[in-house]
Amino acid sequence: EDQVTQSPEALRLQEGESSSLNCSYTVSGLRGLFWYRQDPGKGPEFLFTLYSAGEEKEKERLKATLTKKESFLHITAPKPEDSATYLCAVQAGGSYIPTFGRGTSLIVHP
Amino acid sequence: GAGVSQSPSNKVTEKGKDVELRCDPISGHTALYWYRQRLGQGLEFLIYFQGNSAPDKSGLPSDRFSAERTGESVSTLTIQRTQQEDSAVYLCASSPDIISYEQYFGPGTRLTVT
Repeated sequence: EDQVTQSPEALRLQEGESSSLNCSYTVSGLRGLFWYRQDPGKGPEFLFTLYSAGEEKEKERLKATLTKKESFLHITAPKPEDSATYLCAVQAGGSYIPTFGRGTSLIVHP
Repeated sequence: GAGVSQSPSNKVTEKGKDVELRCDPISGHTALYWYRQRLGQGLEFLIYFQGNSAPDKSGLPSDRFSAERTGESVSTLTIQRTQQEDSAVYLCASSPDIISYEQYFGPGTRLTVT
C-alpha cells in the first residue's frame, strides 16, 4: 500500500526565515510525486510534479527536490502570503490514483 | 478561463437524508476526480472518470455513495442515507487527461450531517 508521511504537521516561521518541509513516501514504482498548496476554504493548487530521484523544480521562493525515499519543499525567505497548508501526493506506476499526505500547515509571521 | 466550480459550497443535512453534490469541470478536461477531505486528514480518493471509459469506483467507502458524469461535463456525487461520519469537505478536480498529473481543484462542498 502506498504511504505518504509529511512532517512537521505545523510550522511557524518568521518572515525571511528559510526552512524545509518533508514528504516521506513508500510506493511501488514511483510514477510521480506532487506538491500542492491549499489555502483555508479553498481547493488545492498545483505547484510541482517530480518524476525521478535527483530532480529539482523551482517556483518563486519554493524549490522541490526528490530522492528515492523523500521529497523536500524548501522555502527561501518566506513571506506571510506563503502561509498555507502544503500537500504532498504520490502516484504509483500503473495507477491513476494519487495518495495524499496529511499536509504541513505553514504560518509565516511578519 | 473559468476554473472548476462546485455547488453548493455548504450543505447541512439531517442524518438519513440524501444529498447531491455537483461539479463543473474545466471545459475540455476529460478526467474528473472526487475526493473527500476530513478535518486534519489527507485527501481521500473516491472515484475518477476518464472520457467514456468505465469509472474507477474503488475509493467509494460504501454503497451509499455513487457518482455520475455526463460525457465530459458535469458530475454529481450522491450520498444516500447520510451518516454523521460523512461530514467532510468534498473536492472535485479535473485534468486534461488521466495521465496528466496537474489536477485543477474546485473550492469544495462542505457537508455537515447533523
